[in-house]
Amino acid sequence: AQKITQTQPGMFVQEKEAVTLDCTYDTSDPSYGLFWYKQPSSGEMIFLIYQGSYDQQNATEGRYSLNFQKARKSANLVISASQLGDSAMYFCAMRGPWAGRRALTFGSGTRLQVQP
Amino acid sequence: EAQVTQNPRYLITVTGKKLTVTCSQNMNHEYMSWYRQDPGLGLRQIYYSMNVEVTDKGDVPEGYKVSRKEKRNFPLILESPSPNQTSLYFCASSSVLGGRNTIYFGEGSWLTVV
Repeated sequence: AQKITQTQPGMFVQEKEAVTLDCTYDTSDPSYGLFWYKQPSSGEMIFLIYQGSYDQQNATEGRYSLNFQKARKSANLVISASQLGDSAMYFCAMRGPWAGRRALTFGSGTRLQVQP
Repeated sequence: EAQVTQNPRYLITVTGKKLTVTCSQNMNHEYMSWYRQDPGLGLRQIYYSMNVEVTDKGDVPEGYKVSRKEKRNFPLILESPSPNQTSLYFCASSSVLGGRNTIYFGEGSWLTVV
């Protein structure tokens, strides 16, 4: 069974500073994908970044980067130069091998608040 | 622009009155899925579809039906809604082919059953 753990229920960060949101995962499948999503108070689920288990380099998307440490089974999200609009709930999720249901397993989320 | 569109975004309905939440994607994705999000329970998969006319149950399918007659559409049907189906619903789609493995979500549909 797959499991995602986000140990930080809430985080505060000052505007323009960097912040790291933690995510650890557990799976016995050698092939998997890791995602980060942002959910603002309006409710939509916004895709931020993806890391495949066989990707050699850490994923980056603009101000978002994923610190992927496969041996430690961690996939932390780093947001550089935080903005007020980054205040939201952040979810780490994992997809198993492409065969099968392709269901995403989500963590419990981290609520990030960016302070001016 | 890549989009997954759900309608309605907000709905209050009464117990037993059939309703359909529509989902449409413009990315020619084979795979589509429905999730519900509840406080303390996270997101749980309701149904999924690997392609046209291919659907299967997820983790919490009771009380729901789906159909996949066209590749772009994947409606969620509540034949006889009950208050325990009050939730935030998400439709998601992705390609099963090689390349970027992004799973896109719709904006969510807030459903209240009274």
